[in-house]
Amino acid sequence: RKEVEQDPGPFNVPEGATVAFNCTYSNSASQSFFWYRQDCRKEPKLLMSVYSSGNEDGRFTAQLNRASQYISLLIRDSKLSDSATYLCVVNGGGGGNKLTFGTGTQLKVEL
Amino acid sequence: NAGVTQTPKFRILKIGQSMTLQCTQDMNHNYMYWYRQDPGMGLKLIYYSVGAGITDKGEVPNGYNVSRSTTEDFPLRLELAAPSQTSVYFCASSTRTGVASVLTFGAGSRLTVL
Repeated sequence: RKEVEQDPGPFNVPEGATVAFNCTYSNSASQSFFWYRQDCRKEPKLLMSVYSSGNEDGRFTAQLNRASQYISLLIRDSKLSDSATYLCVVNGGGGGNKLTFGTGTQLKVEL
Repeated sequence: NAGVTQTPKFRILKIGQSMTLQCTQDMNHNYMYWYRQDPGMGLKLIYYSVGAGITDKGEVPNGYNVSRSTTEDFPLRLELAAPSQTSVYFCASSTRTGVASVLTFGAGSRLTVL
């Protein structure tokens, strides 16, 4: 089983739709979780951290389910500008802050 | 405030050549990292550093070397380039480790080995 697993997509959705991505992780000792956004041929940028209690930032909501070892990202009212690849990132702990990146889920928002 | 700056942005190497990818950050971050990203793959950690003078191997260190003589700079050296090193390389830095850590990435260096 991969350490961090994501559906590669692409998810093709119309503008205004709600879309959700899941990401599973294998290390039950993982301590911190993030969603990064990566535009085509650009560097990843932090979208949001994922807290145990769940957190929301505008149209974006992140959830953590430790029992089932997955995190989710919900995007409401999708915009064309949301088209990107969303990377699930997990910190397994230990020294050096070694993060494990998923391969990403591609989202395409269409008119 | 430039953040993390990588040079060059693009480079073509011949098999067996060597080169250095430069990375500089101006945020006074202690932690710095080099990742590579291949098509359809997640970012893989090559080397990382927790402070000046301290470096350690990541997941895929073979064929690479690093040094960290200052807080700001973390160059990545490719010795004897091979086609398998064709990739996009990202340098990143963070202010801390652990649960609150967030990476700031450079714009990437696209390397092709022919």
